Amino acid sequence: EVQLVESGGGVVQPGGSLRLSCAASGFIFDDYTMHWVRQAPGKGLEWVSLITWDGRKTYYGDSVKGRFTISRDNNKNSLDLQMNNLRTEDTALYYCAKDSGYGDYCPGSWGQGTLVTVSS
Amino acid sequence: SHEVTQPPSVSVSPGQTARITCSGDAVPRKFVYWYQQRSGQAPVQVIYEDNKRPSGIPERFSASSSGTMATLTITGTQVEDEADYYCYSTDNSGNYPVFGGGTKLTVL
Repeated sequence: EVQLVESGGGVVQPGGSLRLSCAASGFIFDDYTMHWVRQAPGKGLEWVSLITWDGRKTYYGDSVKGRFTISRDNNKNSLDLQMNNLRTEDTALYYCAKDSGYGDYCPGSWGQGTLVTVSS
Repeated sequence: SHEVTQPPSVSVSPGQTARITCSGDAVPRKFVYWYQQRSGQAPVQVIYEDNKRPSGIPERFSASSSGTMATLTITGTQVEDEADYYCYSTDNSGNYPVFGGGTKLTVL
C-alpha cells in the first residue's frame, strides 16, 4: 500500500523559510515522478512543483518559481520542498503526491498534507 | 498561461445524472484527469486520460472530451458522491500542469 507522510509544516513569518519533507513507502520510489500540490484554506487545489524519478528535471508553478526548490533522495525514499521568501499567500495545506505513472505528469496517490501558515 | 475552467457548483438529486464541465484551449490536445475531494480528505483520482477509470472507482463515474470541453458524468448519483471535483490537465509542453478551480457537487 502506498504511504506518503508529509512533515515540516508550521507557522512562519513573511520572508521566512521552511522545509517540507515527505516520507514514501509501499512502492518503488525511484520509479516515479513526485509532486507537491497545495490547497489554501477554503480554496481549490494548486499544483506547485514536480521532480522526475531521477531528479534531473524539475518544474514549478509560476507563483513559486524562484522561491521554492523541490528535491528528492532516492536512497532515503524522501521528497523535499525548500520554501524561501514565504508570503502570506503561501499559507496552505501542502500535499505530497506520487505520480500516476501514465504518459502525462499526473498526481495519483496523495498524502494527508502538512499545514503551512505564513503570518506575522 | 494554461488554464482550465469549471463551474463553481452543480446540484443534483439522488439517483439523477450529474455533469461537471471543464473547458480550456489545450483540452483538444492534452488529456484531462478528474479528482474527487470529499470534505476534509485528500483528493482521489476518479478519471484518467480523458475517460478511463482507475481500479476501485465505481462504474457510475465516466467522462468524455469533445473540442475544448471535457465532461465528468456521474450516473445515478449517490449522496456519498457529494464532494468537490477538480479537472486537471497540462500545457502543450506537458511540463506545467494546472487544476481547474473546482466544482462543488451538492446532492440533495
